[in-house]
Amino acid sequence: GNSVTQMEGPVTLSEEAFLTINCTYTATGYPSLFWYVQYPGEGLQLLLKATKADDKGSNKGFEATYRKETTSFHLEKGSVQVSDSAVYFCALGGNFGNEKLTFGTGTRLTIIP
Amino acid sequence: NAGVTQTPKFQVLKTGQSMTLQCAQDMNHEYMSWYRQDPGMGLRLIHYSVGAGITDQGEVPNGYNVSRSTTEDFPLRLLSAAPSQTSVYFCASSYRPPSGSRYEQYFGPGTRLTVT
Repeated sequence: GNSVTQMEGPVTLSEEAFLTINCTYTATGYPSLFWYVQYPGEGLQLLLKATKADDKGSNKGFEATYRKETTSFHLEKGSVQVSDSAVYFCALGGNFGNEKLTFGTGTRLTIIP
Repeated sequence: NAGVTQTPKFQVLKTGQSMTLQCAQDMNHEYMSWYRQDPGMGLRLIHYSVGAGITDQGEVPNGYNVSRSTTEDFPLRLLSAAPSQTSVYFCASSYRPPSGSRYEQYFGPGTRLTVT
């Protein structure tokens, strides 16, 4: 079945540091890939997505590229801010129709001023 | 649009009690899902629905019932609560964007349930 392996946290960085959160997946076919973010006390928000190999999703300075050859979808940001402190989830969608998401375990990110 | 709404925000139950977690969406989404979030385990799918009158089991369905009588509502029922059901529950809904690309899921704010 489908599975997502995500970099364990917590991760603590200083403001303006470079961020990478690793995500690899196991799936058959051509799934969609997502990064969701959960701010303290809130639900999950879609951060970015990619629907096919070599697609790059981007939003709010974050980027992730769908790498089918390495089955990866690593999240990167060049210069993090305190407001980026949150829990980040990598997720794998279905191939067709019904989109049952498979989530990674989440990575808690804390940015220190 | 209110998006996806969930009630209550917090609930404490005793073992063996029953309750219903409410979920509603006003986006006319076809699909709705329930997930539970546990520390170190990410989110796991409990039940999902692809339209009114149609439901199916996800990864961890035991101890939970659902029904989908309208497009807008997708309640989750715990018939006899157990401490193992202590978790944060998220409802989500999704549609197919007009461009034909894959579904995105929109999440509610969550219900934090404690079973003692």
